[in-house]
Amino acid sequence: QLQLQESGPGLVKPSETLSLTCSVSGGSVSSSSYYWGWIRQPPGKGLEWIGSLYFRGGTFYNPSLKSRVTMSVDTSKIQFSLRLTSVTVADTAVYYCVRLALVIVPPSTELTLVDSWGQGLLVTVSS
Amino acid sequence: DIQMTQSPSTLSASVGDRVTITCRASQTISTWLAWYQQKPGRAPKLLIYKASSLESEVPLRFSGNGSGTEFTLTISSLQPDDFATYYCHQYHSYSYTFGQGTKLEIK
Repeated sequence: QLQLQESGPGLVKPSETLSLTCSVSGGSVSSSSYYWGWIRQPPGKGLEWIGSLYFRGGTFYNPSLKSRVTMSVDTSKIQFSLRLTSVTVADTAVYYCVRLALVIVPPSTELTLVDSWGQGLLVTVSS
Repeated sequence: DIQMTQSPSTLSASVGDRVTITCRASQTISTWLAWYQQKPGRAPKLLIYKASSLESEVPLRFSGNGSGTEFTLTISSLQPDDFATYYCHQYHSYSYTFGQGTKLEIK
């Protein structure tokens, strides 16, 4: 049974860098069938896709966050990470790590479907 | 980005009612649409993918329909456990986007 667990500081100061890690159990970040990613949800609001990555290095970021986001995967530690620089109060949210199932649309288009979520971690940006 | 618009934003209904939530995409997404259910303090849960395919272990009272730009999620007979917020989500193209959510409340 796949389990995803976010970890990291719950409080970050404005202008600093938010760094989160997602630990994967019951699955492998090196699987060729899945991407891994992050989605966030400001308190009381809707869902925002941050980005996705593949263990071989492909990354896709939300254009609105692209200049501040870096994602990486550590296959030896079976985890993946999110870095978001220069945070503001607008970055306060519950951050979810997710697994995305790879869907191949013939002949060669790749789509990914979010099929599993971590429990979420509230990160507050405040001085 | 593809904009996803759900209606209504809030829906009041009773146990046993049949309810339908609508989701419209700003451009065609074929059938690359998913529906998620979220309860307070919990992560979203996948209900339906590819517009009408039911995720494993999701009750048969949930169904999805649509293609192109118009989609629906129907619950045939509401159960107490179904009162939650529902989100549609397009995974046709980056940047992936979600609808703003529909909160299903007990009447």
